[in-house]
Amino acid sequence: QSALTQPASVSGSPGQSITISCTGTSSDVGGYSYVSWYQQYPGKAPKLIISDVSYRPSGVSDRFSGSKSGNTASLTISGLQTEDEADYHCCSYTSSGTLVFGTGTKVTVL
Amino acid sequence: EVELLESGGGLVQPGGSLRLSCAASGFNFNSHAMSWVRQTPGKGLEWVSAIGSSGGSTYYADSVKGRFTISRDNSNNTVYLRMNSLRAEDTAVYYCAKEPRPWWNNPDHWGHGTLVTVSS
Repeated sequence: QSALTQPASVSGSPGQSITISCTGTSSDVGGYSYVSWYQQYPGKAPKLIISDVSYRPSGVSDRFSGSKSGNTASLTISGLQTEDEADYHCCSYTSSGTLVFGTGTKVTVL
Repeated sequence: EVELLESGGGLVQPGGSLRLSCAASGFNFNSHAMSWVRQTPGKGLEWVSAIGSSGGSTYYADSVKGRFTISRDNSNNTVYLRMNSLRAEDTAVYYCAKEPRPWWNNPDHWGHGTLVTVSS
């Protein structure tokens, strides 16, 4: 199972919106509504910020939103803040019954 | 509050074995699947294995199939990962993760991880 494809890095200025893509196939992202996104700070464990494509867990800022079109899922961060500077990982259920993660994206706030 | 505490990591020689443990608390353990996910320093996340809430269903990544075994003890709220025939490429931080449902799809809580180093 190949990793889902994410851009290595995305940057934006405070207050701007950025979008991170996560591209898979019809056997994973495109085939299921089980796509999640995680935020990870250096040396820390990942934290769930979006599940089931677009569901935001309690306590997660509403500046984070998720969507999906075809084989590509997207995470949008609105009103970018310095605290959003972190690594972001997508994850999808697959037709093999396994999970597959994305290659990871480093978000930089300029 | 959900808490997941991994233990059992360390330095092991190639070909050796380790057993990781993950003690869970703060939720109804026997109603949730559990996963193990690893991360090589500076790299992305790699899903390793998952086990259903009853322990009757297990899945593995191709990279560890036949070498790793996941199990759980619902009476002690603990999930295990037995790792045999370890290779240098298994070196990583191993995270235990809780799933929101009896089967796995979107890990929703993670432990702090335990480092496994495979080296001679």
